Amino acid sequence: EIVLTQSPGTLSLSPGERATLSCRASQSVSNNYLAWYQQKPGQAPRLLIYGASSRATGIPDRFSGSGSGTDFTLIISRLEPEDFAVYYCQQFDSSPSITFGQGTRLEIK
Amino acid sequence: QVQLQQSGPGLVKPSETLSLTCTVSGGSFTSYYYNWFRQPAGKTLEWIGHIHTSGSTNYNPSLKSRVTVSVDTSKNQFSLNLTSVTAADTAVYYCARGRRWFDPWGQGSLVTVSS
Repeated sequence: EIVLTQSPGTLSLSPGERATLSCRASQSVSNNYLAWYQQKPGQAPRLLIYGASSRATGIPDRFSGSGSGTDFTLIISRLEPEDFAVYYCQQFDSSPSITFGQGTRLEIK
Repeated sequence: QVQLQQSGPGLVKPSETLSLTCTVSGGSFTSYYYNWFRQPAGKTLEWIGHIHTSGSTNYNPSLKSRVTVSVDTSKNQFSLNLTSVTAADTAVYYCARGRRWFDPWGQGSLVTVSS
């Protein structure tokens, strides 16, 4: 099973700032089968990025994903008030095995 | 747009079976994978298993002995059964569509295991 480790655990920033979230895998994620989700309290996760770098339908272009192999990054270029939430990375392998990172909490500074 | 609506009891007694259903509306039901996840309070998400509308299934090895996911294509529904539940199975349960990534998701169902 691939273990995903997200850092930092909590990120404190102000609206308008740039957020950089990291996701590191314990072994290579094949075919860049890596996704990012946003989750707000009491809500289901929302798909932001799939295939490591493709934005899901309706996701603003301030969200971008990059990376390959074992290191992946989600960048929010300019934080809006509605972006403060918990973010999870998730990987798929063909076993199939599907695992999530422990999450990064993005909070208002 | 496709929507997933979850239903099922919010309270289950220890040793009994947790059963949830997810109804899909607003789009094509067939030829997709449908999944169940759970999330204990304050923790990350755990994949439980999935089913393709053809009927093929895969489960998380850690839960495989207790899980059954089934599909009813005539009703655009899929279901989760988790047997022999304990307090450790208390969580918010979600359904979602997809194979490698997941969208859309159901609204979530808090299931508490308690006598």
